[in-house]
Amino acid sequence: ILNVEQSPQSLHVQEGDSTNFTCSFPSSNFYALHWYRWETAKSPEALFVMTLNGDEKKKGRISATLNTKEGYSYLYIKGSQPEDSATYLCAFTTDSWGKLQFGAGTQVVVTP
Amino acid sequence: DAGVTQSPTHLIKTRGQQVTLRCSPKSGHDTVSWYQQALGQGPQFIFQYYEEEERQRGNFPDRFSGHQFPNYSSELNVNALLLGDSALYLCASSLGRQARYEQYFGPGTRLTVT
Repeated sequence: ILNVEQSPQSLHVQEGDSTNFTCSFPSSNFYALHWYRWETAKSPEALFVMTLNGDEKKKGRISATLNTKEGYSYLYIKGSQPEDSATYLCAFTTDSWGKLQFGAGTQVVVTP
Repeated sequence: DAGVTQSPTHLIKTRGQQVTLRCSPKSGHDTVSWYQQALGQGPQFIFQYYEEEERQRGNFPDRFSGHQFPNYSSELNVNALLLGDSALYLCASSLGRQARYEQYFGPGTRLTVT
């Protein structure tokens, strides 16, 4: 992997269902992985910053895991709600200054 | 506490013109990064300013330049605009050398070049 890749590109989820999606990144020179939620017409909002292999972070119904050795992170949404509809971006950085390399995002649409 | 603010919200320019976008960082933050998001892509890093100097630069031509002021606010200038410069330009603020903490983004400036 040379760049940050996110899959799937989009997904539709029924309200109440749980879902997850993937961020893949180069496993060499890892410093930190960021997850952002971006709702239409708003600013991207930070969800998590993860730095250690095996890290797991949770914020409400959203959680994330990190595997730096194989270069991937999963984001999980439990019991999806319509307000979870957004584009979820991951970004990888190789240094302490935080030059972020973003994936193209996973667009999540939660329908009632 | 105001978050990151950007101005203007939208801008329409003609090919060949020059444009200046502005960003005020979150209170207490000293580092400003600029990103370009073209349609269907993730944000691409343009450059980062710290202590009024360009700290890092992405793969963008010299037509893209910037400035940081003593109050940490920043400007992004683009000269000789091309149609391909049409994009959403995002500003993010952070503390220098603190990539283990989140960056705070503004709502962006939508630039359309005709």
